[in-house]
Amino acid sequence: NAGVMQNPRHLVRRRGQEARLRCSPMKGHSHVYWYRQLPEEGLKFMVYLQKENIIDESGMPKERFSAEFPKEGPSILRIQQVVRGDSAAYFCASSPPGGAGETQYFGPGTRLLVL
Amino acid sequence: RKEVEQDPGPFNVPEGATVAFNCTYSNSASQSFFWYRQDCRKEPKLLMSVYSSGNEDGRFTAQLNRASQYISLLIRDSKLSDSATYLCVVLGGSQGNLIFGKGTKLSVKP
Repeated sequence: NAGVMQNPRHLVRRRGQEARLRCSPMKGHSHVYWYRQLPEEGLKFMVYLQKENIIDESGMPKERFSAEFPKEGPSILRIQQVVRGDSAAYFCASSPPGGAGETQYFGPGTRLLVL
Repeated sequence: RKEVEQDPGPFNVPEGATVAFNCTYSNSASQSFFWYRQDCRKEPKLLMSVYSSGNEDGRFTAQLNRASQYISLLIRDSKLSDSATYLCVVLGGSQGNLIFGKGTKLSVKP
């Protein structure tokens, strides 16, 4: 039973480019969460999605960031016109349906470096 | 006041030592609490949930004091493999987002 999968594991972008981060939840999980961890900081919640719905995006920056979880395929976190401050580890987590998100399983993360 | 606060450490202890970490949280309505472990450049992994009655899992004991909004983790007989950053985590609201402390770094030396 594969765990949460994220790709790419490492991503290098130049300022102004777009970054697309993908997350495939565990089999049977319908809830996906994205978190960002800046260097030397704790993880910060960004967005919570269910299939085709954004449930809570209170942690998303107001500009340049968007997320989706389509009916088919992985969840995508998209960062447009990246800046150096976007350099961080982005972790995705998933949880099974029916709960309140207490049990979240984390993927290995995508480390984004903006040059 | 930060939502979840922890002493960043580092805690440098010899093998076999007992070490305790503390954490405070600001939202008195919080209902669910956890300790996660994060190894360097890895994802966080759930160590244990924290219950009001206190709970133990092998060498690890977690305690919750709702009145003081305080959570603790005790590690007995420390092993080299316990070296990691320990994250205090609170479930934030009904939507399931986890609120993480910045973590306490533990280094167990031979």
